[in-house]
Amino acid sequence: KNQVEQSPQSLIILEGKNCTLQCNYTVSPFSNLRWYKQDTGRGPVSLTIMTFSENTKSNGRYTATLDADTKQSSLHITASQLSDSASYICVVIPQNAGNMLTFGGGTRLMVKP
Amino acid sequence: KAGVTQTPRYLIKTRGQQVTLSCSPISGHRSVSWYQQTPGQGLQFLFEYFSETQRNKGNFPGRFSGRQFSNSRSEMNVSTLELGDSALYLCASRLAGGSGEQFFGPGTRLTVL
Repeated sequence: KNQVEQSPQSLIILEGKNCTLQCNYTVSPFSNLRWYKQDTGRGPVSLTIMTFSENTKSNGRYTATLDADTKQSSLHITASQLSDSASYICVVIPQNAGNMLTFGGGTRLMVKP
Repeated sequence: KAGVTQTPRYLIKTRGQQVTLSCSPISGHRSVSWYQQTPGQGLQFLFEYFSETQRNKGNFPGRFSGRQFSNSRSEMNVSTLELGDSALYLCASRLAGGSGEQFFGPGTRLTVL
């Protein structure tokens, strides 16, 4: 069973609208949780990195939240742009796991004009 | 600084052949990790090298191997290719040990016919 589950699998929104992507995890304990953006055919690019003690982290129009009690994280995108069309991947790094990242399956977001 | 570079970007092989992929990390980065990304399985960790030593290994068969050179450049080799090895192979580098941020390369798209 995947230890990091993301929802929805895919999402279509209109340009200018907001959206929220969800990430539920069972990995515990963990050192940090990251959200990556991956354009088609490209490598993932880090959006936010949160330690287990942080509740929220922003990067421009991207805001990630973390609830360690419910083991949930969300990525909120404000005022979406066409360039936000990509896959968004939630990654959890277990404690003492070095670089063995645990990836969610990703949410594919399409922003339409 | 230049980012992580991977060569080649695209590769087509036939079943039974072997392939070698190359990754040059960001200057000064000593850790290199390899990942396989497929539509069905998502991103999966292959292995990590640090100072020419394999530090962690994912759950992949022995046909997948790698190495790191003294200049931190890394190669990944897949022998006796199978159709299921068709994937995007991503390399990521970071400064040193622990759970520091990784920077991904653009990937090598391998197609096995």
